[in-house]
Amino acid sequence: EAGVTQSPTHLIKTRGQQATLRCSPISGHTSVYWYQQALGLGLQFLLWYDEGEERNRGNFPPRFSGRQFPNYSSELNVNALELEDSALYLCASSLVPGNTIYFGEGSWLTVV
Amino acid sequence: GQQVMQIPQYQHVQEGEDFTTYCNSSTTLSNIQWYKQRPGGHPVFLIQLVKSGEVKKQKRLTFQFGEAKKNSSLHITATQTTDVGTYFCAGNTDKLIFGTGTRLQVFP
Repeated sequence: EAGVTQSPTHLIKTRGQQATLRCSPISGHTSVYWYQQALGLGLQFLLWYDEGEERNRGNFPPRFSGRQFPNYSSELNVNALELEDSALYLCASSLVPGNTIYFGEGSWLTVV
Repeated sequence: GQQVMQIPQYQHVQEGEDFTTYCNSSTTLSNIQWYKQRPGGHPVFLIQLVKSGEVKKQKRLTFQFGEAKKNSSLHITATQTTDVGTYFCAGNTDKLIFGTGTRLQVFP
């Protein structure tokens, strides 16, 4: 069974640009979570989608947004990129909301 | 907002020594989960605790959930070099909030 897959693995953008990150959950999982992990730091909760709807979001500005598609895959969009947005963006999925989550390998975003 | 703190931030131990990390939430949790992240890797689920006062063991790892469901601990007996990594607790209310993590280094 395939795990959570994320693309791209690495992305380099310049300040002010937009970045789009993609995530495919484990087959059958309807909940998708996004976390930001700056280098050497903890995981900051960004967004939670379930059944196509945003269920909760963390303390991030509105330029961080996303969506979940009918096939439960998800996209994270970051507009007006700032240098401090450079981080590993981790996507995770779960079968039941609030239960065990399984992480993908992450997407490294570098803003220069 | 909900906060989950862990101590210590770093722990260096000699192989064979014990290790404990503590997790405290500002709010009562429905459950708590523990994850391990190896250097360069992504977090991997270890265990979930749901009941007040629950204790679970996985080989050399012992997990406890506090009576008030606001704190938890992970204890590793006789650490090995394979235990190296960052251990995160994650508290669940209306969202899953990860603790600040404890980075464990084990010296042979």
